[in-house]
Order: sequence, then C-alpha cells, then structure tokens
Amino acid sequence: GAGVSQTPSNKVTEKGKYVELRCDPISGHTALYWYRQSLGQGPEFLIYFQGTGAADDSGLPNDRFFAVRPEGSVSTLKIQRTERGDSAVYLCASSLSMDETQYFGPGTRLLVL
Amino acid sequence: DQQVKQNSPSLSVQEGRISILNCDYTNSMFDYFLWYKKYPAEGPTFLISISSIKDKNEDGRFTVFLNKSAKHLSLHIVPSQPGDSAVYFCAASRESGYALNFGKGTSLLVTP
Repeated sequence: GAGVSQTPSNKVTEKGKYVELRCDPISGHTALYWYRQSLGQGPEFLIYFQGTGAADDSGLPNDRFFAVRPEGSVSTLKIQRTERGDSAVYLCASSLSMDETQYFGPGTRLLVL
Repeated sequence: DQQVKQNSPSLSVQEGRISILNCDYTNSMFDYFLWYKKYPAEGPTFLISISSIKDKNEDGRFTVFLNKSAKHLSLHIVPSQPGDSAVYFCAASRESGYALNFGKGTSLLVTP
C-alpha cells in the first residue's frame, strides 16, 4: 500500500513568511509524528499525535511552530515568521498505534532565505 | 544534549565482509532501540529493532546486539552488499511508540 506522503517536497520561502507543511499518514495509522533534520544531524522530535490530539509537543522549539490533525488523519505543521535557522528537512512518520514501528515519509526540504 | 551517540561518521567495508555499526546512549530510561537506513532524498526506512528485555535480535543479514550495562548497541550486517551503502541511524525511546531520539548517523560505503 501507499506509504507516508509529504507535500511539498521542497519549499523555498523568505524570512518572516508563514509556511504550512502537509503529511498524509499510512491509511489506518492512528499515531503521527513530526521530526526535523538539520544538516549533519539526526532527526529531532517535534510533536506527536494519537488520533486528533497532540500527545506530546515537547519538541516544538518555540511558539512559532504549531501542528494540527483535525480529523485524525492528515496533519499540517505550521511555521510562523520563519527564520533562516528553520531551514531543515521536516519528516513525518506514522505508526499503526502508539506501540508500533514508526514509518517515515520522504520529508519536506524547507529553505528560508 | 545528545542522548544517542554514533561516534563513527563513516565506515567503508568490502562487499561480502561484515559491517559493524556502533551506537551508545546515555539515558537509562531508554528501553526500545531501532536502526533506520536512509538513502539520499528519502525518508529513513525501518531496519530492525530490539527491546531491552533481549540482548540480540536477528533478521536475515541484519543482527542487532544490545548491552544494557554498557549502554551500547551495535548493528551487524553479514554479508555486506553494495546496496547496503546508506546512512544508518540508531534511535532509542523510553517505550515503543514514543518519541525517538536519534544519533547523528553513520555513512556506510560497501565497495565491490
């Protein structure tokens, strides 16, 4: 079946702009995770959802970052007033339930100029 | 603070030989460990996992060993194949399904 998909695959924006990154999890997966991978680093946890609710948002770096999952399927990561330091690959993962293996999408490469 | 460490940024191995990738962790609350493989421009792909109640898990050419007292795990690939060339990430969490803590990765090159 289809894996985790993320759109757009690449996003270039200017400092100060607002961006939205979308994640479509594997069908039927109830848990959804967002990570951020900077150059030369491993992925860093941002937030995860169990169903529609954010079960843990402790990894969000500041209040410019926000994520939603209104119907328990698709999720959107929203970044306000982007900064150059937000440039990274944003990865989404989903799992069948919270105690199952996480499967990753290809990521969205964000570049803030 | 990096709770999961992969101290070798790169490793080169000849085809047919064993590849050994190492990982250390500092948080004693971690009890679930995974290895992911990543090709350029793709997301990480799950390879193999192990829970803290075991010290070894095997899946085909891939074996993960866990030494809890040393807070160390390793991934063995035998025999190595050129298609195994990728970046390998070690990850850990306090329970299966919780947020993963990743190392910085080790780039493996398997030469013919």
